[in-house]
Amino acid sequence: EAQVTQNPRYLITVTGKKLTVTCSQNMNHEYMSWYRQDPGLGLRQIYYSMNVEVTDKGDVPEGYKVSRKEKRNFPLILESPSPNQTSLYFCASSLTGTTGELFFGEGSRLTVL
Amino acid sequence: AQSVTQPDIHITVSEGASLELRCNYSYGATPYLFWYVQSPGQGLQLLLKYFSGDTLVQGIKGFEAEFKRSQSSFNLRKPSVHWSDAAEYFCAVGGYSTLTFGKGTMLLVSP
Repeated sequence: EAQVTQNPRYLITVTGKKLTVTCSQNMNHEYMSWYRQDPGLGLRQIYYSMNVEVTDKGDVPEGYKVSRKEKRNFPLILESPSPNQTSLYFCASSLTGTTGELFFGEGSRLTVL
Repeated sequence: AQSVTQPDIHITVSEGASLELRCNYSYGATPYLFWYVQSPGQGLQLLLKYFSGDTLVQGIKGFEAEFKRSQSSFNLRKPSVHWSDAAEYFCAVGGYSTLTFGKGTMLLVSP
């Protein structure tokens, strides 16, 4: 089954404790992206990757890092999480860029205390 | 900079009635336009998209949208709403590498 898998789905952590949210897709997609969803703000892009070893900032990259060492994986790293990073995070992928359909994971709900 | 405005935060429609969700965009070139739907606890699913050609596009689940360049609008419509259509709907505009989403419209369906 074609899918985008995120882990963990739910996480409660404390300020400053490094964490990684993993994202993996099995569709051989070149493009991957991370979004955060906050009430009343919709989805905002954090980082995206056009292909392996190619990443770029989205609209809200502060406090986040990403890497794209393999085509299928695109982890989101929070080096020192803060409460304002409490949010619902979505990973998405597409065959080529954002002109085609984005396939979304089910989301990772992160709470930073 | 590109932007999307969805003026309605919530809309309530009776089951069987018609639906129109509004979307206005700002984009410097010819935009790619999308409508996505998010059911509770789920990720987003593409309903339809537009880039060129016929300005009335058909999507899944009986939805359609009309692109009006003069009004910078891309409104979503459905002739008869079903209870299962209750969800949050997002309009999005973008180019090749980035997609900007609106803040969403929550659709409530009353019996």
